[in-house]
Amino acid sequence: GQNIDQPTEMTATEGAIVQINCTYQTSGFNGLFWYQQHAGEAPTFLSYNVLDGLEEKGRFSSFLSRSKGYSYLLLKELQMKDSASYLCAVRDSNYQLIWGAGTKLIIKP
Amino acid sequence: IAGITQAPTSQILAAGRRMTLRCTQDMRHNAMYWYRQDLGLGLRLIHYSNTAGTTGKGEVPDGYSVSRANTDDFPLTLASAVPSQTSVYFCASSRLAGDTGELFFGEGSRLTVL
Repeated sequence: GQNIDQPTEMTATEGAIVQINCTYQTSGFNGLFWYQQHAGEAPTFLSYNVLDGLEEKGRFSSFLSRSKGYSYLLLKELQMKDSASYLCAVRDSNYQLIWGAGTKLIIKP
Repeated sequence: IAGITQAPTSQILAAGRRMTLRCTQDMRHNAMYWYRQDLGLGLRLIHYSNTAGTTGKGEVPDGYSVSRANTDDFPLTLASAVPSQTSVYFCASSRLAGDTGELFFGEGSRLTVL
C-alpha cells in the first residue's frame, strides 16, 4: 500500500529552527509537496520538490532524497504565526496526490 | 469572487437527508477535486474532474457523486447522508490535471451528520 509518515506533533521555540520529516512509500514518484494549514483554514502551498536536493524559499526550505523516500521541511527564525499543521503529499505514478496526516507544529515564546 | 468559494461553511444534517456542497472557482482552472479531512488522517480524494464534462473516482467515492457541467462549478452531492460522512470537505483546483503547480483550496465545509 501507499504510505506517508510524518510526526504527529512537534514543539519549537520562537526564533529557533525546526525540521519536519516526511517518509513515503508510494507507487511511483512524480513530485513531493509541502502545504501549511492553520487551524480551521484551508491548506496553502509551500513547496514542491521533484529532484533530489534542497529548495530554499525565504525562511522555509524543503529537501528531497528519492532513493531514501525522504523529505524534510526546514523552518528558520520561527515566528508565532508559523504555528500550524504541515502536510506532506506525494504524487504517485498515476499523478494522484497521497497525503500524510500532517504535523502539528506548536511554537512557544 | 477570488479563488475558490465553498458553501455552506458549516452544516448539521440528519442521517438519510440529501446534501449538496457547492464549489465555484474563478481561476479558469481545468482540474478540480473534492477531499475530505478527518482527524488523524491525511486528505482523502473523493472525486475529481480533469476538465469540464469529465469526472473520476478518487480513493473514497462511495456515497458521493459529482458533476462538472462547466469549468467553474463542481458540486458534491451526498445522496443519503450517514454519520461516517461527518467531516470537513475541501474543494480544490489546479491549472491542469497532474500539474506540477500548486493546488488551490477552498475554505472548507464542515459537515456533521447526526
